[in-house]
Amino acid sequence: SQKIEQNSEALNIQEGKTATLTCNYTNYSPAYLQWYRQDPGRGPVFLLLIRENEKEKRKERLKVTFDTTLKQSLFHITASQPADSATYLCALDVGTSYDKVIFGPGTSLSVIP
Amino acid sequence: SQTIHQWPATLVQPVGSPLSLECTVEGTSNPNLYWYRQAAGRGLQLLFYSVGIGQISSEVPQNLSASRPQDRQFILSSKKLLLSDSGFYLCAWSRFAGTTGEQYFGPGTRLTVT
Repeated sequence: SQKIEQNSEALNIQEGKTATLTCNYTNYSPAYLQWYRQDPGRGPVFLLLIRENEKEKRKERLKVTFDTTLKQSLFHITASQPADSATYLCALDVGTSYDKVIFGPGTSLSVIP
Repeated sequence: SQTIHQWPATLVQPVGSPLSLECTVEGTSNPNLYWYRQAAGRGLQLLFYSVGIGQISSEVPQNLSASRPQDRQFILSSKKLLLSDSGFYLCAWSRFAGTTGEQYFGPGTRLTVT
């Protein structure tokens, strides 16, 4: 069956360290993968997209990797700050004409001062 | 710039009552529109999507329905709410026939069915 998994437990890291979040999927062949940030009681906000032919994408302190062989994406936040505390969702394209994506369950990140 | 509005922000409704949630998008034309539900501590579940006026597709069988009476208006409805309909409802849009599918979400409606 098709499945998307993210870090099963909440992630707590010290301010200034690099946070690494994982997104694993099975029985999908996405053309791209997205990462979103969601704060409590708010809608998700799009952060980054990486295509199947890209190995790595960067945006400021964010870095995403995409390994289609391992069926895994890693999301890194360098020099983490307490303001980075949120839930992070990965989403996979499922190849429809209307841009349908399937969201993972999310990983809660807490950056401790 | 584009903005997306949802209302109401919160709603408490008794079991068996009707529901109408509204979503409007400004600053873009012919968007793809989506309704999601997020249960507490859970991921996003796609309920409906629309690629044009009057064109609605359902992803999950349930007692909810959706309509798109205007290009940038998307409505989620129910004739009789169930307790299991409680959750956080999110409307989203993406560019029509986009190649990367970034979705832009509204602020959400917190629905509690009592």
